[in-house]
Amino acid sequence: KQEVTQIPAALSVPEGENLVLNCSFTDSAIYNLQWFRQDPGKGLTSLLLIQSSQREQTSGRLNASLDKSSGRSTLYIAASQPGDSATYLCAVKESGGSYIPTFGRGTSLIVHP
Amino acid sequence: DVKVTQSSRYLVKRTGEKVFLECVQDMDHENMFWYRQDPGLGLRLIYFSYDVKMKEKGDIPEGYSVSREKKERFSLILESASTNQTSMYLCASSLWRTPSSGGYTFGSGTRLTVV
Repeated sequence: KQEVTQIPAALSVPEGENLVLNCSFTDSAIYNLQWFRQDPGKGLTSLLLIQSSQREQTSGRLNASLDKSSGRSTLYIAASQPGDSATYLCAVKESGGSYIPTFGRGTSLIVHP
Repeated sequence: DVKVTQSSRYLVKRTGEKVFLECVQDMDHENMFWYRQDPGLGLRLIYFSYDVKMKEKGDIPEGYSVSREKKERFSLILESASTNQTSMYLCASSLWRTPSSGGYTFGSGTRLTVV
């Protein structure tokens, strides 16, 4: 069964830092991997979707990479801002027919001024 | 902009009440999902549906049922609400298998409190 781990569980950084959030998965036979952001008391907002054939995706200050062979994805946030404070979750969709994603528990990020 | 809309942001219900949570998507997605999210437990799948009138149990279906009479609408039903069903409920949808997409879109969530 696929397991998705996000380390660290919490992170606090000063404004302006470049930071990396990690997502590890145990089964490399994946269809795609998706990164989400969740603000307190809100739903999940999709940030980036990486298909299994891709190595990375970029959107503004965000860059997500995928290394299937090592079972890892990283979300890079450049020049962090207080507005980036949120919980970041990754979700892995396996290949082989299942349409149920496996979610990590998330990394809670605080960017302080 | 494509959307998944959950009918209520906040609900307060009494123990024993029958509760309906509604979710509507405008993306013509085949798959729809209901999750609950609790601190320390992450997202847990309650039920999902891959087609009209089809439903499958997720990891924690006990105490819940679902209805999908139309492709765009997926309802979660708490047959007799209990305090341990106090939680954040999240609806999501996705296309079935396709090489060009496959991402999930979530609604804004419903915070349900059962008293």
